[in-house]
Amino acid sequence: KAGVTQTPRYLIKTRGQQVTLSCSPISGHRSVSWYQQTPGQGLQFLFEYFSETQRNKGNFPGRFSGRQFSNSRSEMNVSTLELGDSALYLCASSLRVGDTEAFFGQGTRLTVV
Amino acid sequence: AQSVTQLDSHVSVSEGTPVLLRCNYSSSYSPSLFWYVQHPNKGLQLLLKYTSAATLVKGINGFEAEFKKSETSFHLTKPSAHMSDAAEYFCVVSDAGGGNKLTFGTGTQLKVEL
Repeated sequence: KAGVTQTPRYLIKTRGQQVTLSCSPISGHRSVSWYQQTPGQGLQFLFEYFSETQRNKGNFPGRFSGRQFSNSRSEMNVSTLELGDSALYLCASSLRVGDTEAFFGQGTRLTVV
Repeated sequence: AQSVTQLDSHVSVSEGTPVLLRCNYSSSYSPSLFWYVQHPNKGLQLLLKYTSAATLVKGINGFEAEFKKSETSFHLTKPSAHMSDAAEYFCVVSDAGGGNKLTFGTGTQLKVEL
């Protein structure tokens, strides 16, 4: 079956703009989590969604937001982009809450110039 | 809060020799622990997971890890390194609250030399 699909794979934006990233989980998976990966901070948890509800949120400013649709697809949005938002954004898909296995997409590489 | 510490940022081994990547965890409960691997420009792939069953966990590609509660360790090993093992490895602990939040270690870059 198809894995986790993230689009787009690469993105270049200008400071001050906003961006929307998309994640389609594995078919049947209802939990989606987002992570930011940077060389300086490593992998950091952004948020987790299940059944269209945000269950958990990491320590990021309000410029970072997300949502989940009824088909479990998820989007994350970053407004007023800053240079420091340049990162690899990874989406993880799990069957349900409390599932111990997460499957990751290949990520979206965001560059802010 | 739970956390993991990867003791080596870089490890270099020769092909055919054993691999040891070290991880210590901190948790006030019995944790679920994982090792993930990330090849360049790729997503994360689960190598193995510990969820309070057997303390010696076997994973893919010949990797295994042993959960040692007395030492709060979860070290990753492989008897014989292959060139294709060169990648970054992450030790990970899951959320105590039953959610799917993962807390990652800082990663260990494994280099395999001929």
